[in-house]
Amino acid sequence: ETGVTQSPTHLIKTRGQQVTLRCSSQSGHNTVSWYQQALGQGPQFIFQYYREEENGRGNFPPRFSGLQFPNYSSELNVNALELDDSALYLCASSGAGNTEAFFGQGTRLTVV
Amino acid sequence: QKEVEQDPGPLSVPEGAIVSLNCTYSNSAFQYFMWYRQYSRKGPELLMYTYSSGNKEDGRFTAQVDKSSKYISLFIRDSQPSDSATYLCAMMLGGNEKLTFGTGTRLTIIP
Repeated sequence: ETGVTQSPTHLIKTRGQQVTLRCSSQSGHNTVSWYQQALGQGPQFIFQYYREEENGRGNFPPRFSGLQFPNYSSELNVNALELDDSALYLCASSGAGNTEAFFGQGTRLTVV
Repeated sequence: QKEVEQDPGPLSVPEGAIVSLNCTYSNSAFQYFMWYRQYSRKGPELLMYTYSSGNKEDGRFTAQVDKSSKYISLFIRDSQPSDSATYLCAMMLGGNEKLTFGTGTRLTIIP
């Protein structure tokens, strides 16, 4: 177990709806990154949060947004869901001065 | 062209065989190289982590990085059915930055 927990584990939403996914980082880690993994593909970087500030963003539209809280847990919000948003969403945490990133079990989102 | 190329397989080998998994990359600025194992419907699990060129061994696993060729490898000795999973290579430009992943290679060890 990595100590990174994500909720919920599975979710089904309708196209056009909004969704919030949650991540609790490993104890002592102040950096959280979010990735999208489509079926049969490697994870794609969405964005990273370091000490509550966005610290890098991948090639995802603005309807993907996030937050990091003082306890370093994080949320990923996706507005106006599209069918192509169906994927496994992964959260990874890492600590200052520690480059190793540890992943949670993921949230599987299905958009119908 | 993708930044990181990885043969998706699938790759099937008999139990006890040596497995070789590889990735190539185009960005010579990558400094950190990782291998993750991912079981079906689970999150990736960090297996090996290497900084710059060289070899690193951990039990049955050996990671190699050749920065001059932009080529990384993972070797699994005495492969077990429990090694059946998807193996993802990943790279990072600097410490604590985003990971760039390969597609993943699906490996099956046949008892």
